[in-house]
Amino acid sequence: DQQVKQNSPSLSVQEGRISILNCDYTNSMFDYFLWYKKYPAEGPTFLISISSIKDKNEDGRFTVFLNKSAKHLSLHIVPSQPGDSAVYFCAASEGREYGNKLVFGAGTILRVKS
Amino acid sequence: GAGVSQTPSNKVTEKGKYVELRCDPISGHTALYWYRQSLGQGPEFLIYFQGTGAADDSGLPNDRFFAVRPEGSVSTLKIQRTERGDSAVYLCASSLSGTGIYNEQFFGPGTRLTVL
Repeated sequence: DQQVKQNSPSLSVQEGRISILNCDYTNSMFDYFLWYKKYPAEGPTFLISISSIKDKNEDGRFTVFLNKSAKHLSLHIVPSQPGDSAVYFCAASEGREYGNKLVFGAGTILRVKS
Repeated sequence: GAGVSQTPSNKVTEKGKYVELRCDPISGHTALYWYRQSLGQGPEFLIYFQGTGAADDSGLPNDRFFAVRPEGSVSTLKIQRTERGDSAVYLCASSLSGTGIYNEQFFGPGTRLTVL
């Protein structure tokens, strides 16, 4: 029973264009959402997060949108750069009472073509 | 500054053997997490330590898996009687604290375990 789903295994985007990665969740108790980026042979690195009390968070080229009613979040990268090519994981947490353990999606491989 | 380190980076073992995987968290981080990532999947939670105690071990798949953190720093994940299905990348993460506001988890590079 996957609580966090990333339905697109891969995405290919031209350099300079927008990349949109999507994530759906089923657990209404999740109150914190994160995106992690992973390069081969490295551990995931934190990219951006959003609390359930917000619907948007922006950090430079990266913006995360949260639609609680649809249980959906998305990561927008604009403009996309070749160095953004990596696996992107969506993750969710039920919050501090539960030790902030993360539930991850299966990941989306992003390829940015130059 | 040093990040989270994990040793060994790769471990090949035979079915039925015992293995230990080590994690050195970032200095000062009281919370430590173990995750397992199987091929084509995202990391899956195994166990969480707050200090020396296992605050949540609900993700351990069975009693062949055990983890310790005796001094509140280094942690060891122990797997007995390994099975081929245990083959995965085992990731360790640490954060300043596991309680209070959300604290970012910093991941190590992982240990790739292969059970033949």
